[in-house]
Amino acid sequence: GAGVSQSPSNKVTEKGKDVELRCDPISGHTALYWYRQRLGQGLEFLIYFQGNSAPDKSGLPSDRFSAERTGESVSTLTIQRTQQEDSAVYLCASSPRGGAGVEQYFGPGTRLTVT
Amino acid sequence: DQQVKQNSPSLSVQEGRISILNCDYTNSMFDYFLWYKKYPAEGPTFLISISSIKDKNEDGRFTVFLNKSAKHLSLHIVPSQPGDSAVYFCAASLYQGAQKLVFGQGTRLTINP
Repeated sequence: GAGVSQSPSNKVTEKGKDVELRCDPISGHTALYWYRQRLGQGLEFLIYFQGNSAPDKSGLPSDRFSAERTGESVSTLTIQRTQQEDSAVYLCASSPRGGAGVEQYFGPGTRLTVT
Repeated sequence: DQQVKQNSPSLSVQEGRISILNCDYTNSMFDYFLWYKKYPAEGPTFLISISSIKDKNEDGRFTVFLNKSAKHLSLHIVPSQPGDSAVYFCAASLYQGAQKLVFGQGTRLTINP
């Protein structure tokens, strides 16, 4: 079946502009996660959705970052007034349910470059 | 505060030999550990996991060892194959609390023919 898909695959934007990143999880997966990976670093947790609610937003770096999810489907991550330090690969993952030890399936990521 | 650390950014191993990737963690509340493999331009894919109640889990050529007292885990790949060349991430999760995975920085493994 289809895996997790993300769009766009690459995005170049000017500092100060808003960007929206999209994630389509695997059908039927109730849990959805956003991570980011800066150059040379590991994956950094941003937010977790169970259904369309977000019980854990602890990783969002600032109030310029927000995310929403429609039902148990598409999620969008929005970054307002982008800064150069926002440049990273943004990865989305989904899993059949939340919880420790449940395998997360990752999408290919969106590479964001803020100039 | 890096709770999961992979201190070797890169590792080079000859084909057919054993590859050993190491990972250390600081949070004793971590209950479950996973290894992910990542090829360029792709998302990480799950490789193998281990619960804190075990000290070893084996799946084919891949074995993960957990030493809770040392807060250390390692991934052994034997025999190493060229297709194993990738970045390997160690990750940990809490039994209770957040559903997130805490990742290490990754180790780039190169298998030389």
